[in-house]
Amino acid sequence: DTGVSQNPRHKITKRGQNVTFRCDPISEHNRLYWYRQTLGQGPEFLTYFQNEAQLEKSRLLSDRFSAERPKGSFSTLEIQRTEQGDSAMYLCASSLSGGGNQPQHFGDGTRLSIL
Amino acid sequence: KQEVTQIPAALSVPEGENLVLNCSFTDSAIYNLQWFRQDPGKGLTSLLLIQSSQREQTSGRLNASLDKSSGRSTLYIAASQPGDSATYLCAPPLGAGNMLTFGGGTRLMVKP
Repeated sequence: DTGVSQNPRHKITKRGQNVTFRCDPISEHNRLYWYRQTLGQGPEFLTYFQNEAQLEKSRLLSDRFSAERPKGSFSTLEIQRTEQGDSAMYLCASSLSGGGNQPQHFGDGTRLSIL
Repeated sequence: KQEVTQIPAALSVPEGENLVLNCSFTDSAIYNLQWFRQDPGKGLTSLLLIQSSQREQTSGRLNASLDKSSGRSTLYIAASQPGDSATYLCAPPLGAGNMLTFGGGTRLMVKP
């Protein structure tokens, strides 16, 4: 069991640049979630996929953000025209679907710093 | 909309003490509630998941309880150790997609 893997671990970029993060979920998990966490706060939900379908998006996910899960396995989160306020830890989680007994498992996150 | 409050926000105790961390939430229509720990600069580690049909769940020195009707959950840590130092987060889900909502967490420091 390799767990949820996120790359890169850290990303530093200038304001206005585009960035892309990758998440590889636990292999048999059909649900994949993206969250954002700022310093001193709990994570906030951004979006989730069941297989390749994006089923829910938070209002936090502005039109500069796009997420994909093309083959129902790994997912990417892209931020276009980054702003200072995008600086945060971006966390990915995965789980099995069905019922109320499926825990979410998190990766170690990608920390984004906007200069 | 689900709102989550965790009390206390921070806690510092000597090694060996038994601890209770509190979590309250506003929407009691939940299937489960998950407790996590987070070490600095790291992701979240799942500790316990309590289903709505359960009242308690135990793992080693950890025991979590859930009272849906009052919108409360507690995490009990027995015989605390310095390695327990971390931020503890409770997360009831929102919606059919089981999207987790988080409070600010409790930052625990256990001193040797």
